[in-house]
Amino acid sequence: DAKTTQPNSMESNEEEPVHLPCNHSTISGTDYIHWYRQLPSQGPEYVIHGLTSNVNNRMASLAIAEDRKSSTLILHRATLRDAAVYYCILRLYGGSQGNLIFGKGTKLSVKP
Amino acid sequence: ETGVTQSPTHLIKTRGQQVTLRCSSQSGHNTVSWYQQALGQGPQFIFQYYREEENGRGNFPPRFSGLQFPNYSSELNVNALELDDSALYLCASSYLGTGIYEQYFGPGTRLTVT
Repeated sequence: DAKTTQPNSMESNEEEPVHLPCNHSTISGTDYIHWYRQLPSQGPEYVIHGLTSNVNNRMASLAIAEDRKSSTLILHRATLRDAAVYYCILRLYGGSQGNLIFGKGTKLSVKP
Repeated sequence: ETGVTQSPTHLIKTRGQQVTLRCSSQSGHNTVSWYQQALGQGPQFIFQYYREEENGRGNFPPRFSGLQFPNYSSELNVNALELDDSALYLCASSYLGTGIYEQYFGPGTRLTVT
């Protein structure tokens, strides 16, 4: 799986939008972009995934650059509960889908 | 719908001992993966089981072994424990089929080796 690069940490104020960036310059055409997050003292949880088009779900939005070399996870209104480590992961469609390769992720702090 | 559960929550073992960690998959899932998470790091893939057979393995020595049972519950066994094995061990269940799917993680077992 191709490598991703994320900032180590970010801060946000409660109720404001948060944009979490991820660079994946070596992404291949069959790599899906996944985001997981890990709340304190919990296992990771799935947030969202996409291939080329922007995606929205109840948790977040995923904006994917036209060249697919970067993406941004958007939390529209941060809450204190969104404080977590966010992981951007590339996964090969149809490949060994048991293997999530985690980096260190971005630790998001949310201030009240 | 019951989520992924793991037991025990915490465990303290001595170097050289053996340990068994348990995971109960989410209902309807046929695949379980195990991860090791050292403090301050992202989870590292150990192995995956699908239909009771190992279906992929990360860079972990053979003293890390596993089992998956017909009811899709699973065990992670670690022999000859070393101090560096101290970590959070996570299991994740999913449904292996066509397309992209998400993994559902349990809360983990915190293993301390002294």
